[in-house]
Amino acid sequence: SAVISQKPSRDICQRGTSLTIQCQVDSQVTMMFWYRQQPGQSLTLIATANQGSEATYESGFVIDKFPISRPNLTFSTLTVSNMSPEDSSIYLCSVEEGQGKLFFGSGTQLSVL
Amino acid sequence: DAKTTQPPSMDCAEGRAANLPCNHSTISGNEYVYWYRQIHSQGPQYIIHGLKNNETNEMASLIITEDRKSSTLILPHATLRDTAVYYCIVRSPWGGGGGADGLTFGKGTHLIIQP
Repeated sequence: SAVISQKPSRDICQRGTSLTIQCQVDSQVTMMFWYRQQPGQSLTLIATANQGSEATYESGFVIDKFPISRPNLTFSTLTVSNMSPEDSSIYLCSVEEGQGKLFFGSGTQLSVL
Repeated sequence: DAKTTQPPSMDCAEGRAANLPCNHSTISGNEYVYWYRQIHSQGPQYIIHGLKNNETNEMASLIITEDRKSSTLILPHATLRDTAVYYCIVRSPWGGGGGADGLTFGKGTHLIIQP
């Protein structure tokens, strides 16, 4: 299975600032996914990122708030912009390998003060 | 993705088999059943998946009913490290638009292994 590295693993940020989360995969993958997990909740898909095209956002998520880059087949970033305390969550990236199986990074624990 | 129904929590004694049920009565013919688990403070971990036949790997067994409307994940000898939230998900591995889609997670079952 793919090895997925996320950075940072955790951060504490001030209201109004932005944080960029990096996701590095040890193999080339077509699709990468970004999820959010709010405290005590299940995972919610934010967007799907394909290399060479604009990310596809789920209902309730917009590019201005969560811009995504996908410059190559092994790397993606998610930026959480103009943060508020409501953005405090775990953010996870994932990739798909054969037969529809998804593998996840260890997540970024974000706290916004 | 078809919806699934799982009990919110279950207890199991260490060393016993943990049987986690999942109902997916609206599953369609090309959708597989996938199981993931999430140990506290970690990303979800793939466990097993299947279409209609029972499956077994080094982690677990998956039993799918003949009508495919429900399934059971079996952890044969549960350990304390198996305490986690277990998610049952049904989807086509090829997604709805010809490509893969991100998984839709429900609330899952919080399995607690008791010493």
